[in-house]
Amino acid sequence: AQSVTQLDSQVPVFEEAPVELRCNYSSSVSVYLFWYVQYPNQGLQLLLKYLSGSTLVKGINGFEAEFNKSQTSFHLRKPSVHISDTAEYFCAVTLAGTASKLTFGTGTRLQVML
Amino acid sequence: DTGVSQDPRHKITKRGQNVTFRCDPISEHNRLYWYRQTLGQGPEFLTYFQNEAQLEKSRLLSDRFSAERPKGSFSTLEIQRTEQGDSAMYLCASSETGNYNEQFFGPGTRLTVL
Repeated sequence: AQSVTQLDSQVPVFEEAPVELRCNYSSSVSVYLFWYVQYPNQGLQLLLKYLSGSTLVKGINGFEAEFNKSQTSFHLRKPSVHISDTAEYFCAVTLAGTASKLTFGTGTRLQVML
Repeated sequence: DTGVSQDPRHKITKRGQNVTFRCDPISEHNRLYWYRQTLGQGPEFLTYFQNEAQLEKSRLLSDRFSAERPKGSFSTLEIQRTEQGDSAMYLCASSETGNYNEQFFGPGTRLTVL
């Protein structure tokens, strides 16, 4: 079975500062990795995904993530955050090559301050 | 088609009552997933359909829960004899056939059991 660990439950950061949200996964087989964002009282929106190929993945809203197989990590980064980035961010994993369920981490609350 | 829709958005019920939620996926998507999200947690998988066939169910899906997708289009999730522990956000997602499993989420139905 796969699992995801998001070590930081909350990350406060000032506007225009860089941010990194950490995600580590556990799996004995190949996986696909995703980052989703959830704004208050809304569903989840896909930010980016890693399926194969280049380990640096670029997504929407200026976010990017790097897949590191040796460290089993998929950290999310943004070089300069905006107040509108305040939201809950979820890392998720699924078995590669299947229509399997997503397994989510517990989420990281990004709080952007002025 | 603007995305996955769910109805109702909010439901308040008394303990012991039955409730039913509806999910309409993106029209060309033949896979449909249900997840449950409690406060401060990531979504947890409940069940998954490919067309009208229910292919996987989580152990979280007790006997009081039943899901259907009778014509391979919309789906319903029914909870019988609701308990306070059923209070959560119920999320629906859909995806196309294919092995990369990019799931698109609806806005969710928030259930409160009094």
